[in-house]
Amino acid sequence: DAMVIQNPRYQVTQFGKPVTLSCSQTLNHNVMYWYQQKSSQAPKLLFHYYDKDFNNEADTPDNFQSRRPNTSFCFLDIRSPGLGDAAMYLCATSRDRGTSGIRQTQYFGPGTRLLVL
Amino acid sequence: RKEVEQDPGPFNVPEGATVAFNCTYSNSASQSFFWYRQDCRKEPKLLMSVYSSGNEDGRFTAQLNRASQYISLLIRDSKLSDSATYLCVVTVGAGANNLFFGTGTRLTVIP
Repeated sequence: DAMVIQNPRYQVTQFGKPVTLSCSQTLNHNVMYWYQQKSSQAPKLLFHYYDKDFNNEADTPDNFQSRRPNTSFCFLDIRSPGLGDAAMYLCATSRDRGTSGIRQTQYFGPGTRLLVL
Repeated sequence: RKEVEQDPGPFNVPEGATVAFNCTYSNSASQSFFWYRQDCRKEPKLLMSVYSSGNEDGRFTAQLNRASQYISLLIRDSKLSDSATYLCVVTVGAGANNLFFGTGTRLTVIP
């Protein structure tokens, strides 16, 4: 089945120790997104890739970086995790971006829950 | 002012009840509207898109009121499995991805 896959589902890291979260998709969608979601809050968009074009949100800290080596994979790198970075990280994809509701529908992976000790 | 606002709830309703959620959005240029469902510690999943004419999918009905800038979700004959958080999602802007999430409305259906 076509889907969005995230690994690992749970990640424990130490304060200041770099960590990488991965996302892959079999949907062949052009756009991939990374969101941060904290408890009882809405998902917060960190950045997205439209094909190879990287689009950073203005308020995303420099501590967060991303790579998209090919259509299927996208990585979230947290260079120096702080306690405040503990959250669920959601990867999502959409076929395209534009004005059509169908093309903008986002499909989410199961998320990676990050714990910072 | 937030782009998208929802009553966080919780809504506790008995099985079989009808429940309605509203969501308001602040930007009149908003173009696409969705309801997502998110179970505890799981990812959001698309429940339904919301079209100008309103749309229905089984027990779920979504409506859009552009004049008043709100969308609604009606759930009839609530099931225990409907217990979840319902996220209102709105897109703004043409050509770029600007997706705004509400903080969600939590529903618990009680036996």
